[in-house]
Amino acid sequence: AQSVAQPEDQVNVAEGNPLTVKCTYSVSGNPYLFWYVQYPNRGLQFLLKYITGDNLVKGSYGFEAEFNKSQTSFHLKKPSALVSDSALYFCAVGSSGDKLTFGTGTRLAVRP
Amino acid sequence: DGGITQSPKYLFRKEGQNVTLSCEQNLNHDAMYWYRQDPGQGLRLIYYSQIVNDFQKGDIAEGYSVSREKKESFPLTVTSAQKNPTAFYLCASSLRTGGLEAFFGQGTRLTVV
Repeated sequence: AQSVAQPEDQVNVAEGNPLTVKCTYSVSGNPYLFWYVQYPNRGLQFLLKYITGDNLVKGSYGFEAEFNKSQTSFHLKKPSALVSDSALYFCAVGSSGDKLTFGTGTRLAVRP
Repeated sequence: DGGITQSPKYLFRKEGQNVTLSCEQNLNHDAMYWYRQDPGQGLRLIYYSQIVNDFQKGDIAEGYSVSREKKESFPLTVTSAQKNPTAFYLCASSLRTGGLEAFFGQGTRLTVV
């Protein structure tokens, strides 16, 4: 069975500082990895994905994520946080022919 | 305007009633999903469908039912057997299962009164 762990319920960062939201996964076979963002009372919005190729994936709104196979991680990063980045972030994993499994989410709070 | 539409946005249910949440997509996606979101628990899969007239139980299917009579539509019925139905429900679709990003609707907040 596949699974995703987001070890931090909340991440706090000052505006302008770099941010990292952590994600580790477990899956049989090659992983498909995703990051989504959710604003209050809204659906999830796709940010970026890793399927194959370059381990550093760039996505929407200046976010990027690094796939690390040996550590089974897919951490979300941004060089300079904005207050508007404050939201709930979900990591998800899938594999060929299977549905996505989501983590429990990490709340990002960016203070001015 | 392509996308996935959930209705209603807010829904109130009395104890013992069945209610149906609507989910429609015009993305020509084969796969559709229903998730339940509770605070601190992330998204939990209720049911999913990979193709018309076929669907499978997810992790928390008890007390819920679905149908997939048309490619565009995947309604979810919350039955009276679901003892704790108050939650935020999210519908999603993807071109197919496996390795493809899912597109989400805006959600339906169901409250039992």
